[in-house]
Amino acid sequence: SQTIHQWPATLVQPVGSPLSLECTVEGTSNPNLYWYRQAAGRGLQLLFYSVGIGQISSEVPQNLSASRPQDRQFILSSKKLLLSDSGFYLCAWSSGSSWSEQYFGPGTRLTVT
Amino acid sequence: QKEVEQNSGPLSVPEGAIASLNCTYSDRGSQSFFWYRQYSGKSPELIMSIYSNGDKEDGRFTAQLNKASQYVSLLIRDSQPSDSATYLCAVLLGAGSYQLTFGKGTKLSVIP
Repeated sequence: SQTIHQWPATLVQPVGSPLSLECTVEGTSNPNLYWYRQAAGRGLQLLFYSVGIGQISSEVPQNLSASRPQDRQFILSSKKLLLSDSGFYLCAWSSGSSWSEQYFGPGTRLTVT
Repeated sequence: QKEVEQNSGPLSVPEGAIASLNCTYSDRGSQSFFWYRQYSGKSPELIMSIYSNGDKEDGRFTAQLNKASQYVSLLIRDSQPSDSATYLCAVLLGAGSYQLTFGKGTKLSVIP
């Protein structure tokens, strides 16, 4: 069966510091990978998605970036965090078809102070 | 702006009753529809997917889709206190899209 991991589970970072969140998927190959953010009082917002190694699509302009160095690894980064970057960051995967179901990891709760 | 709308609630139902959750979407080209359950502080969990008009049943859950009315709903029969959570409607907007657009969710409270 497929498993998706995210770490760290929680993170408190000062404004202006860098960020690196990691997501890995087990039990499947060539998954589509996604990064979402859920801010307090707001809905889930798609940040990035990837259909293959090195292929990243950005949905929202921001100071975040994403990379996919390996087939089942997805990384979310920032060089300088803003207060507005606080939120619940969720990684998700789906099989190759664009219409298929997306499954979420446990998430990383980020607080920028 | 392509949107997915849900009543934010809270929706309160007594234990054993039917809970009805509703969602409307703006893009007529949407093909895939999903319901997620999210407990407080946890990540969303997929509970139902529906792709064609009509009803789809899975245990106590029934998803209903009406593409002409751009409306999707989730019925929970014999509601239990453990069903208390926020339910998120998600829509893949447009054919071939990878982008799931979520509603803001409806908070359900099942009263023992």
